Amino acid sequence: KAGVTQTPRYLIKTRGQQVTLSCSPISGHRSVSWYQQTPGQGLQFLFEYFSETQRNKGNFPGRFSGRQFSNSRSEMNVSTLELGDSALYLCASSLAPRTDTQYFGPGTRLTVL
Amino acid sequence: GESVGLHLPTLSVQEGDNSIINCAYSNSASDYFIWYKQESGKGPQFIIDIRSNMDKRQGQRVTVLLNKTVKHLSLQIAATQPGDSAVYFCAERAGNQFYFGTGTSLTVIP
Repeated sequence: KAGVTQTPRYLIKTRGQQVTLSCSPISGHRSVSWYQQTPGQGLQFLFEYFSETQRNKGNFPGRFSGRQFSNSRSEMNVSTLELGDSALYLCASSLAPRTDTQYFGPGTRLTVL
Repeated sequence: GESVGLHLPTLSVQEGDNSIINCAYSNSASDYFIWYKQESGKGPQFIIDIRSNMDKRQGQRVTVLLNKTVKHLSLQIAATQPGDSAVYFCAERAGNQFYFGTGTSLTVIP
C-alpha cells in the first residue's frame, strides 16, 4: 500500500507570495492533518480534515488555510508569505479523526526569501 | 497548551548497546502515546505506540514503557544499529489532538 505523498517536495517563494501544498493520504484513510515543523519547535498542529470538513484547528493565523476533497486528498494554502513561514510542512493521514495512528508523508520544505 | 518534552536533546551510543530515550508529558488525561523516528530529509516514521491502560509494549527491538504515576514515557532500542541514528519524537493524544515533543537526536557510534 502506498504511503502518504506530498507535492512538491521543495518550494522557494518570496515574501508576500502565496503557496499551495498538496497531500494524498494512504488509500482508505479519510483523515488528514497538517503540521509545521521548525528547528527547536517540534511539530506544530495546523489543522485536521475529515470528510471534507475541518474538524480541528491549531493556533495559526488565518493566512493558513486548507481544504479536503471528496477523494480525501488535501491541500493547504499559505497567503502573504512571511520569512517565518519557512519550515517543513508535514501531512499525516489516519483512518478517522482521533484514531490510533497518524502516518506521515515526507514533507514539503518551504523556503521564504 | 500541552507540554511534551524530552529529557535529553542528544544521545550517543555505541553500536550494539541498548538505547533509552525518555519523554515527559503533562496531561494526565492523555490516553494514547506514539514514538516516531525521523531521519534527515524524511517525515516521521511510526515506531511503536501504547495506550494508557498499558505500561509496557514490545516490538521488534523496541520497547515502550509508560509510567502514568510520574507521566513518563520511554523508548528502549535493543542492540542499537547505525541505521537507528535519527531524531526520535514522542507524541501524546489529549482531547482531539496530538502533541509532539521537540525530539532527541540519537547518534550511533560504529
